[in-house]
Amino acid sequence: NAGVTQTPKFQVLKTGQSMTLQCAQDMNHNSMYWYRQDPGMGLRLIYYSASEGTTDKGEVPNGYNVSRLNKREFSLRLESAAPSQTSVYFCASSVGNARETQYFGPGTRLLVL
Amino acid sequence: GIQVEQSPPDLILQEGANSTLRCNFSDSVNNLQWFHQNPWGQLINLFYIPSGTKQNGRLSATTVATERYSLLYISSSQTTDSGVYFCAVALSGGYNKLIFGAGTRLAVHP
Repeated sequence: NAGVTQTPKFQVLKTGQSMTLQCAQDMNHNSMYWYRQDPGMGLRLIYYSASEGTTDKGEVPNGYNVSRLNKREFSLRLESAAPSQTSVYFCASSVGNARETQYFGPGTRLLVL
Repeated sequence: GIQVEQSPPDLILQEGANSTLRCNFSDSVNNLQWFHQNPWGQLINLFYIPSGTKQNGRLSATTVATERYSLLYISSSQTTDSGVYFCAVALSGGYNKLIFGAGTRLAVHP
């Protein structure tokens, strides 16, 4: 039981390049989330998926798109990366979308030059 | 929006000391979690505690939802307790969208 996995672990992009961050969970959870963490700060929610087939914006969605590919997988796409998107990205999942513990993946460290 | 304030922002302890970390929040919540982010960046779930008291080994937590605060107690601290401790909450009546505090950075010296 791997929990929440993320790929890649580390990525360097040039401004304007695109990339997709992958997240998968094997806990049969319904809800999944993407957060970003900037230096010295707590995490902020980018997008979430309350259940398979639904996605919605969080606190800082600009510059990102998401896809809930199936119940296990939730991807985050940067269409045209900007230096302001340099951050550590965490994926999380929970059984449901209220009153539930969220479990976090190991993170993807992204550097945009 | 809801405000989550953690104190103190930084804490330095000698191994074996006890400490209390505090999380204040400005609105009713239906989810409150405490996390430990270790020096390698991994977020580790400590407690899911929207109300009441829980204990796990040397760590315990208490949330007084009516007064909008939560406390994390660390007893007999060890160097492996070093890192950043985050409190995160989700508003009552809404989706499980966590709002994080800025964290308490703990350094435990031998």
